[in-house]
Amino acid sequence: KNQVEQSPQSLIILEGKNCTLQCNYTVSPFSNLRWYKQDTGRGPVSLTIMTFSENTKSNGRYTATLDADTKQSSLHITASQLSDSASYICVVTPSYNQGGKLIFGQGTELSVKP
Amino acid sequence: EAGVAQSPRYKIIEKRQSVAFWCNPISGHATLYWYQQILGQGPKLLIQFQNNGVVDDSQLPKDRFSAERLKGVDSTLKIQPAKLEDSAVYLCASSLHAPGQGTQYFGPGTRLLVL
Repeated sequence: KNQVEQSPQSLIILEGKNCTLQCNYTVSPFSNLRWYKQDTGRGPVSLTIMTFSENTKSNGRYTATLDADTKQSSLHITASQLSDSASYICVVTPSYNQGGKLIFGQGTELSVKP
Repeated sequence: EAGVAQSPRYKIIEKRQSVAFWCNPISGHATLYWYQQILGQGPKLLIQFQNNGVVDDSQLPKDRFSAERLKGVDSTLKIQPAKLEDSAVYLCASSLHAPGQGTQYFGPGTRLLVL
């Protein structure tokens, strides 16, 4: 069964600190892996997208890494800001011959405190 | 560029009542998705359309849920009758490309509470 597992479930950090969120997946083969940010009361917004051949992708203070051998991805947030408080969701797209349906993780709830 | 629009933003109903949600995707986006997101979980796909045709509705509880996409643009999702476990956020998303390809752009969601 295709699965995407994220850890930790929730995280509290102080403003200005760095943090790393983890995503382990069993989806194989896959087309791409995305990280979405979902603010409270809003829909998810795409942060990064990596194909299976990419190792890292940055978007400002967000850096995603991908290790296709261990089937792990991480999202590193540098110099956190209060506005980073949100749920971060790891999403894997199976290869098209599996229907292309997105497989969502359950999300990591990040809270940045002043 | 306008994003995906959804209405209403919030809805409170009693169990066994009916409810309908509306979604207007980004102009020109052929593919439209409806997701159910229960608190603390990732979104779960209910149904996806390409233009006005259904691509995948395998996870749609068809005994109570129905959806249509009129003329391949706007879409409505209906629940009839609602159950307590239907309390969730219902997200609509659209993408320019075929299902599974390209980025999905999400609307703000409709938060449903069934009492």
